[in-house]
Amino acid sequence: NAGVTQTPKFQVLKTGQSMTLQCAQDMNHNSMYWYRQDPGMGLRLIYYSASEGTTDKGEVPNGYNVSRLNKREFSLRLESAAPSQTSVYFCASSVQGEISLHFGNGTRLTVT
Amino acid sequence: GNSVTQMEGPVTLSEEAFLTINCTYTATGYPSLFWYVQYPGEGLQLLLKATKADDKGSNKGFEATYRKETTSFHLEKGSVQVSDSAVYFCALSSGGSNYKLTFGKGTLLTVNP
Repeated sequence: NAGVTQTPKFQVLKTGQSMTLQCAQDMNHNSMYWYRQDPGMGLRLIYYSASEGTTDKGEVPNGYNVSRLNKREFSLRLESAAPSQTSVYFCASSVQGEISLHFGNGTRLTVT
Repeated sequence: GNSVTQMEGPVTLSEEAFLTINCTYTATGYPSLFWYVQYPGEGLQLLLKATKADDKGSNKGFEATYRKETTSFHLEKGSVQVSDSAVYFCALSSGGSNYKLTFGKGTLLTVNP
């Protein structure tokens, strides 16, 4: 009964390093999303995947890439981390056409 | 574009007090409206939703009514508990084939015993 699982929970990077945030869901959902949460900014959509094999940019895609590896997994990659990418990252999923999202517990990323 | 404005916090209440968190929105068409709650150290959870005008969403003693005439979706609870302490987010859906949510900035609620 895991729902949406994100790894790692915490990460510290130096400027210029790369890393991939992993997300997997076991609810057989078609659609998956990556958001970032910053103080006073709410949640902003980075990328989403409406269904397996498709990905689209959200509100703040610059500096990120995504891969929808299969129906369960949707990863977010930072190729060259910047301090402005210090944030809490949330993955979410939903049934395609269903408007309620199920969120993971987040990854807290600090870029120094 | 779509936007959500909710009252800034933090909001601090005593147990059993009445809660209102205001939320207004700007959107084209007829969006669906949501309240999500985030407990410390966790992801967001759907609290309630309303999909058309005059609908009332309710859950765990919380209520919100979709008011198209005032473009509002205020969250209310008659008697808060310490366990309600969390960050509350108002959100709307953009509709269409890809249901992407637009979130407000969040309101931190602290309930003291």
